[in-house]
Amino acid sequence: AQSVTQPDIHITVSEGASLELRCNYSYGATPYLFWYVQSPGQGLQLLLKYFSGDTLVQGIKGFEAEFKRSQSSFNLRKPSVHWSDAAEYFCAVGPSYKLSFGAGTTVTVRA
Amino acid sequence: DVKVTQSSRYLVKRTGEKVFLECVQDMDHENMFWYRQDPGLGLRLIYFSYDVKMKEKGDIPEGYSVSREKKERFSLILESASTNQTSMYLCASSLGPRGLFYGYTFGSGTRLTVV
Repeated sequence: AQSVTQPDIHITVSEGASLELRCNYSYGATPYLFWYVQSPGQGLQLLLKYFSGDTLVQGIKGFEAEFKRSQSSFNLRKPSVHWSDAAEYFCAVGPSYKLSFGAGTTVTVRA
Repeated sequence: DVKVTQSSRYLVKRTGEKVFLECVQDMDHENMFWYRQDPGLGLRLIYFSYDVKMKEKGDIPEGYSVSREKKERFSLILESASTNQTSMYLCASSLGPRGLFYGYTFGSGTRLTVV
């Protein structure tokens, strides 16, 4: 069975500082990995995805993520956070037709 | 852009009522999903459908049923609403296996309160 762990429930970061959100997964085969963002009161928006190839993937809004098979991780990063990045972030794994999601990490951005 | 529309943003229903949550997508996607989102638990899959009239249980199907009579519409039914079904419900759609590289498109969610 597939599963996802996001170890950090809540992260506070200053505007302009870097951000890293952790994601660890468990999956028997080569995983399909996704990061989604949810702004308050909204549905989820796809930030980026990994299926194969280059282990560093670029997404929208200046985010990137790195797939590390040896660590079963797919951490999300952004070099410089903007106030509009305050949201909840979800990591997901699986075959793309049936994803399992982590519990989410809430990001607060302070001025 | 693909659009997934959930008919209601907020619903308040009474215990024991039969509740229908509607979801419509406009891009001919084969797969549709219903997730429930609760704080600290993330998203949990209730049911999904990979074709018209086809459905499969997810991780938490108890107390729910679904209907997909047309490709674009996927309904979630709470047969007899209970207070523990108070939650945010998210609908999503995706292309079939040939569309692996697109992930899901989500609706904006329906926040259901059962009193």
